[in-house]
Amino acid sequence: QVQLQESGPGLVKPSETLSLTCTVSGGSISPNYWSWIRQTPGKGLEWIGYIYYSGSTNYNPSLKSRVTMSVDTSKNQFSLRLTSVTAADTAVYYCARFWGDFWGQGILVSVSS
Amino acid sequence: EIVLTQSPATLSLSPGERATLSCRASQSVNTHLAWYQQKPGQAPKVLIYDASNRATGIPARFSGSGSGTDFTLTISSLEPEDFAVYYCRQRSDWPWTFGQGTKVEIK
Repeated sequence: QVQLQESGPGLVKPSETLSLTCTVSGGSISPNYWSWIRQTPGKGLEWIGYIYYSGSTNYNPSLKSRVTMSVDTSKNQFSLRLTSVTAADTAVYYCARFWGDFWGQGILVSVSS
Repeated sequence: EIVLTQSPATLSLSPGERATLSCRASQSVNTHLAWYQQKPGQAPKVLIYDASNRATGIPARFSGSGSGTDFTLTISSLEPEDFAVYYCRQRSDWPWTFGQGTKVEIK
């Protein structure tokens, strides 16, 4: 059974960069797609984007200018970077396999000075 | 972007009752629709994918139907563990989007 675990800072300052990593266990990161999704009380669930194990990506147009995803097959990990964060980026961030059959437990990231 | 509208926002029912949840899309998503259950402090869990296919390990009391723009999730007889928030999600068009959720609460 595939398991995913998010890791990273729980607090990021405004205008700085949010960086999260998802570690995949119980299966190989290849040859799958992997997603990042976030959840806020105000906007609900939002699909940030997904990345193929080879590195090709597809980002939500609403975040595209600030998002970068990457993959490290040697570590069975994929990552999310979101630049120039504001309070509106405060959310629970989830990693998931492609269309969402397996999810991580989520990590709360707060944006505050 | 495709907007998914779920109704009702809240459903108050008793254990053993039948729950019928609706999801309407702003344009056709064919059958590229999934249903998720979320409990407090947990990640969403997939129940139904491609409109009517139960995910692995999901009890038969959960069923999904519909195509195009109108979809239904039915829970035939509510168990205590079924009281939660339910979301629909489309992956017909990018960006994939979720509905705002229906909360099934104990009456």
